[in-house]
Amino acid sequence: DIQMTQSPSTLSASVGDRVTITCRASQSISSWLAWYQQKPGQAPKLLIYKAATLESGVPSRFSGSGSGTEFTVTISSLQPDDFATYYCQQYNSYSPLTFGGGTKVEIK
Amino acid sequence: QLQLQESGPGLVKPSETLSLTCTVSGGSIDSSYYYWGWIRQPPGKGLEWIGSIYYSGSPYYYNPSLKSRVSISVDKAKNQFSLKLSSVTAADTAVYYCARHTGTVSTTPLNHWGRGTLVTVSS
Repeated sequence: DIQMTQSPSTLSASVGDRVTITCRASQSISSWLAWYQQKPGQAPKLLIYKAATLESGVPSRFSGSGSGTEFTVTISSLQPDDFATYYCQQYNSYSPLTFGGGTKVEIK
Repeated sequence: QLQLQESGPGLVKPSETLSLTCTVSGGSIDSSYYYWGWIRQPPGKGLEWIGSIYYSGSPYYYNPSLKSRVSISVDKAKNQFSLKLSSVTAADTAVYYCARHTGTVSTTPLNHWGRGTLVTVSS
């Protein structure tokens, strides 16, 4: 299995802050990485795919980068709607598809 | 707009089989290139992919950790796909989501999700 490790697990930040979350893969996954946002009681929402491509309708304050084994998602100016848990997911290998453990972005 | 809705029993007894259905509306499940999947999330924990299936019913891919207990099928006539998980234990208690890949399993993420349904395994 390809293990996905996110850091930090929890992040405290204020509105307007620049926030970066890191995801590391246990082996190279090229750019086959997605980021999802999940709010309490809701399904995950796709934000970014292929490491850096913004899903339609996602605000431009979100950006993704990386390839191989190290990836980041950055929120350039944190908004109240962005407080949520973020997951990375690799889809380089379907044996199995795997998610990171999640990063909870909370209000400082 | 594509919508997915999970349905099935919210309570299953240990050792029995969990059965869920995902009904697709606003689009046809019988559409080339799309795979349909199941993902679960134990309360307060992270996401685990269960498996995905092509609209035609084959090929399909299961998480090796669940492969011996999982079956996913498609009913094109009803625009639904289903999950069966046998011999359940308390560890299978989770919110179960159905979702659609944007294309193939190994090159596309999941961009449409159902709201999820909580299944509790308890006697």
